[in-house]
Amino acid sequence: RKEVEQDPGPFNVPEGATVAFNCTYSNSASQSFFWYRQDCRKEPKLLMSVYSSGNEDGRFTAQLNRASQYISLLIRDSKLSDSATYLCVVNIGGTDKLIFGTGTRLQVFP
Amino acid sequence: NAGVTQTPKFRVLKTGQSMTLLCAQDMNHEYMYWYRQDPGMGLRLIHYSVGEGTTAKGEVPDGYNVSRLKKQNFLLGLESAAPSQTSVYFCASSYSAPSGVYNEQFFGPGTRLTVL
Repeated sequence: RKEVEQDPGPFNVPEGATVAFNCTYSNSASQSFFWYRQDCRKEPKLLMSVYSSGNEDGRFTAQLNRASQYISLLIRDSKLSDSATYLCVVNIGGTDKLIFGTGTRLQVFP
Repeated sequence: NAGVTQTPKFRVLKTGQSMTLLCAQDMNHEYMYWYRQDPGMGLRLIHYSVGEGTTAKGEVPDGYNVSRLKKQNFLLGLESAAPSQTSVYFCASSYSAPSGVYNEQFFGPGTRLTVL
């Protein structure tokens, strides 16, 4: 089983739609969780960290479920500019390393 | 404030040739990382450094060496390039460890390397 697994998509949604991605992780010692965004042929950029109590940043909501070992990202009122690949990223506790998922591709159409 | 820069942006090598990729950051970050990204594989950590003069192996270190002689620079070397090293290489830096408070990793624009 991969350490971090994501549905590769693509998720094709119309503008204004709500879309959610899940990501599962295998190591129960995982401590820190992130969503990064990567545009085509560009570098990844931090979208948001994921906190135990869940957190929101504008149209984006991230949640963590430690019992089931998954994190989620909800995007409301999708914009064309949200089209990108969303990377689920996990840090194993006690290490200096991040484990990246292969990404979920989102395409928002007019 | 340039952030994280990488040179070169593109390179084509022949099998057996050597090269060095340079990563520079101007944010006074302690932590620096080298990743490779291949289709369907996600980013994989090659080597990383937790401070000037220190380096450590990541997930896929074979065939690569690194050096961190200055805090702002992190060099990735390929001594004898192989076609399996064709990839996009990203450098990243962060102020603290992934479990720390200021843990955002800032990435450079990438180097696209092809080994023939």
